[in-house]
Amino acid sequence: QKEVEQDPGPLSVPEGAIVSLNCTYSNSAFQYFMWYRQYSRKGPELLMYTYSSGNKEDGRFTAQVDKSSKYISLFIRDSQPSDSATYLCAMSAGAGTALIFGKGTTLSVSS
Amino acid sequence: DGGITQSPKYLFRKEGQNVTLSCEQNLNHDAMYWYRQDPGQGLRLIYYSQIVNDFQKGDIAEGYSVSREKKESFPLTVTSAQKNPTAFYLCASSIIGAGGRTGELFFGEGSRLTVL
Repeated sequence: QKEVEQDPGPLSVPEGAIVSLNCTYSNSAFQYFMWYRQYSRKGPELLMYTYSSGNKEDGRFTAQVDKSSKYISLFIRDSQPSDSATYLCAMSAGAGTALIFGKGTTLSVSS
Repeated sequence: DGGITQSPKYLFRKEGQNVTLSCEQNLNHDAMYWYRQDPGQGLRLIYYSQIVNDFQKGDIAEGYSVSREKKESFPLTVTSAQKNPTAFYLCASSIIGAGGRTGELFFGEGSRLTVL
């Protein structure tokens, strides 16, 4: 079993839809959870950062972490064509440990 | 502006040639990383360095070499021993210890290497 599993998609939705992106993981030591957004031919940029369990909201984006189920989610409300990108989940056990990435989910939002 | 600069953005190489990808950062970060990204494979760690003159192998170091002579610079050499070097290469950096968010990486814009 891989440490981090992420459905690669592709996922296609119409503008305005609610999008749910998910990752599961196996290492119970992970405490820091991130979502990166990567546009085509660009480097990833940090979108959301969460420590331990709970929800975090930033505008149209909400990140959820359920450590008991080893499951993290990213919700995008009112999706826009500019949200079309690859979304990578990433997680770490703490300082000095490697950041482990999912394979990324490619999202396409059509107008 | 602070950030990470990778060059060249696009590079073509003939089989059997070594090529060096440049990565420079002015964020004053201690740690630097090289990742390789292939379609459907996600990001795979090649090498990382937490201090000048020291570096460690990642998951796929074979056929690659690095140096860290300056804090700001972490060049990656793709050698002729790398069996399948065509890929998108990403350099990243991070803070170690207090002052930043644990685990957060800052990425460059990437270098796309194509072997002909």
